[in-house]
Amino acid sequence: NAGVTQTPKFQVLKTGQSMTLQCAQDMNHEYMSWYRQDPGMGLRLIHYSVGAGITDQGEVPNGYNVSRSTTEDFPLRLLSAAPSQTSVYFCASRTDRGLSYEQYFGPGTRLTVT
Amino acid sequence: TQLLEQSPQFLSIQEGENLTVYCNSSSVFSSLQWYRQEPGEGPVLLVTVVTGGEVKKLKRLTFQFGDARKDSSLHITAAQPGDTGLYLCARTGNQFYFGTGTSLTVIP
Repeated sequence: NAGVTQTPKFQVLKTGQSMTLQCAQDMNHEYMSWYRQDPGMGLRLIHYSVGAGITDQGEVPNGYNVSRSTTEDFPLRLLSAAPSQTSVYFCASRTDRGLSYEQYFGPGTRLTVT
Repeated sequence: TQLLEQSPQFLSIQEGENLTVYCNSSSVFSSLQWYRQEPGEGPVLLVTVVTGGEVKKLKRLTFQFGDARKDSSLHITAAQPGDTGLYLCARTGNQFYFGTGTSLTVIP
């Protein structure tokens, strides 16, 4: 199993450009999520999905869109990039077995917006 | 925002020393997780604690969940350079909330 994969690993955008960060998992997990990590801020939830066709907003959703057409894929779209979106983005998937969540993270995408 | 405070923010110690890091919240956790993140990689789950007062051990790492389920600690015995990384606690639930982390450096 590859686990959670993310592409690209690095990306530089200019202000106003759009792009899609790709995320895929091969563990048949229903729950997937996107986080951003900034220095001194920890990981903050952007959007999450509890299954194909179902998405919801997290703590910091503005400027991002998601969709979940399959169990495996959960892309994150930046509509019009801003310097404030410079960050490291992590995709995660998890099982839900009562309170014993097992969450797995991808390797991250480091995004710089100039 | 469900604030999780982690302390200390940074910690640099010599190989062989013991250390404890803390995770605190003003509200009760249903369950709490600890992760370790190495530079350039995603966080990796270390443990989940569920019951107040629970203690779990993972080799040289000891995790404790407070009796009131509002705080947790991670104790490392005889730290090694391989323990270097960012340690994150997280409140579980439909949405996860992460602390800001403790950056640990173990000097050989």
